[in-house]
Amino acid sequence: DAGVTQSPTHLIKTRGQQVTLRCSPKSGHDTVSWYQQALGQGPQFIFQYYEEEERQRGNFPDRFSGHQFPNYSSELNVNALLLGDSALYLCASSSRVLLSYEQYFGPGTRLTVT
Amino acid sequence: EDKVVQSPLSLVVHEGDTVTLNCSYEVTNFRSLLWYKQEKKAPTFLFMLTSSGIEKKSGRLSSILDKKELFSILNITATQTGDSAIYLCAVATGSGGSNYKLTFGKGTLLTVNP
Repeated sequence: DAGVTQSPTHLIKTRGQQVTLRCSPKSGHDTVSWYQQALGQGPQFIFQYYEEEERQRGNFPDRFSGHQFPNYSSELNVNALLLGDSALYLCASSSRVLLSYEQYFGPGTRLTVT
Repeated sequence: EDKVVQSPLSLVVHEGDTVTLNCSYEVTNFRSLLWYKQEKKAPTFLFMLTSSGIEKKSGRLSSILDKKELFSILNITATQTGDSAIYLCAVATGSGGSNYKLTFGKGTLLTVNP
């Protein structure tokens, strides 16, 4: 049973560039949430997708956008990168049908902005 | 704004010691409290607590929730070097149905020395 997968593992970008991160949820899950984890901090909620729509959003600017595909996989896009966007980006999946708050996390993408 | 506070932020103990990690919260629309262990990248699920006063146990780890005083503790007995990790507390909040998000604390960095 494949768990949550994310790609790429690491990424280095320059200020002002744009980046796309990808996530495939655990088999049987239909909901994807994205988190940003800066060094020494807990994960911060960016947004959540199910049924291909953004359902909830945290306190992140519009430079952060996402998409969910019919196969439940998801992308996180960040435009006009800032140095402060350097962080570990975690994707978590869950199932609405199971009505559980437990989210399964992927290994993350380490983004460095120079 | 939802707030989750963990203490201590870091802890160094010797193998065999017992540790207690604390998590307090101030949130709107509480649904559940979850504990995760983060060793390298992906947080892994430990416990989910929804009702007050009911202890959840898994081997040497146990946790309990107090919804009146708005806190939870995670106990680890007979610690081992493999318990060294960041322990994250998260609170699930939402207005109802399957719309919810996780708010994390900063985590407690536990180091167990041989």
